[in-house]
Amino acid sequence: DSGVTQTPKHLITATGQRVTLRCSPRSGDLSVYWYQQSLDQGLQFLIQYYNGEERAKGNILERFSAQQFPDLHSELNLSSLELGDSALYFCASSVSSGSRLYEQFFGPGTRLTVL
Amino acid sequence: TQLLEQSPQFLSIQEGENLTVYCNSSSVFSSLQWYRQEPGEGPVLLVTVVTGGEVKKLKRLTFQFGDARKDSSLHITAAQPGDTGLYLCAGVSQTGANNLFFGTGTRLTVIP
Repeated sequence: DSGVTQTPKHLITATGQRVTLRCSPRSGDLSVYWYQQSLDQGLQFLIQYYNGEERAKGNILERFSAQQFPDLHSELNLSSLELGDSALYFCASSVSSGSRLYEQFFGPGTRLTVL
Repeated sequence: TQLLEQSPQFLSIQEGENLTVYCNSSSVFSSLQWYRQEPGEGPVLLVTVVTGGEVKKLKRLTFQFGDARKDSSLHITAAQPGDTGLYLCAGVSQTGANNLFFGTGTRLTVIP
């Protein structure tokens, strides 16, 4: 158990819909990262938040957005869903962010299926 | 996008055999990490290599970072069924944000 929790574990929805994935980082971790893992694209970095503020952006679509709340939990919002958005979505957390490398701890993931 | 290619993509070997997984990129990374991922779980960090040419050993696993910090290898000696899993290399960005660029993955199966 990494200490990072993600809900829900599974999510099945239809094209065009909107969903919200939730992540609670390890106690004391200020930085949250979101990743998408699909069969054809592998594991890709989407976005990072540090203490409530966006820190870095990766291959995140405009239909996707995220935020980190004052209690440090984070939500990833996916809208106008397409079949190709079906994937595993992982959240990871680390103590901090910056020039020093901090280990990222990954949650168990949310499996999203878009029908 | 900083692309990391891993080879082989799939590897099925008998228990006791040795194997090497390669991770190659055209980009330079500040450091490189290796993860193992099992079905239904998130990746778990195995090692971080920071210095070009660095070699780290973790029991039967040996990790090497290329001199130019663009490539890495993972060597497993006397593989065991418990080594089965998806092995991922990840380059750490040099921007200071510490976000990871993952490789394409190597799915290893060790047959008893």
